[in-house]
Amino acid sequence: ETGVTQTPRHLVMGMTNKKSLKCEQHLGHNAMYWYKQSAKKPLELMFVYNFKEQTENNSVPSRFSPECPNSSHLFLHLHTLQPEDSALYLCASSREARGTYNEQFFGPGTRLTVL
Amino acid sequence: AQSVTQLGSHVSVSEGALVLLRCNYSSSVPPYLFWYVQYPNQGLQLLLKYTTGATLVKGINGFEAEFKKSETSFHLTKPSAHMSDAAEYFCAVSSNTGNQFYFGTGTSLTVIP
Repeated sequence: ETGVTQTPRHLVMGMTNKKSLKCEQHLGHNAMYWYKQSAKKPLELMFVYNFKEQTENNSVPSRFSPECPNSSHLFLHLHTLQPEDSALYLCASSREARGTYNEQFFGPGTRLTVL
Repeated sequence: AQSVTQLGSHVSVSEGALVLLRCNYSSSVPPYLFWYVQYPNQGLQLLLKYTTGATLVKGINGFEAEFKKSETSFHLTKPSAHMSDAAEYFCAVSSNTGNQFYFGTGTSLTVIP
């Protein structure tokens, strides 16, 4: 595997379900990011992890819970989601989360549908 | 504070014609500027970036962009459009002091045969 991978690529879940999105980077980077991409809206940064420490949480509802066990893996745990949470969830990584080192490499995304 | 404005959410060009996608930014510190492309059902792929040095930056697939500080712009161009260029294009700004990217709303490029 190379680059940034995300699983699953597609996910359909009910509002009472609990599911997790997984991201893995094979680039030796130290920073990882979750973004939400909804139709006709700018990319929304959700969380930033730098050297496994969360450095940004952009007012994301608590029904989204990130986890970064090491610099290569990032999870997004989902529970009691709402239909408006349906979107493409993108993971990205960068060498570090600062300055010139935060050029980001993206995974293919998980298309989430909440029924 | 930093932000990005992409003028024109949809741009259509004929195959072989010039591609011009506009991006203006605001930043209180020297910016780092990026263009990404997103093909359907895929993640974002870096086309090119400006950090320091030469203001005309060449990227992949024949694209280039010029950083113009006086105009706070970083427009993306390609001399001759190809059908495979049809995609969504995102401009983004970051800085040496920040740890976030700020993306524009994107421009959807259609190439007409």
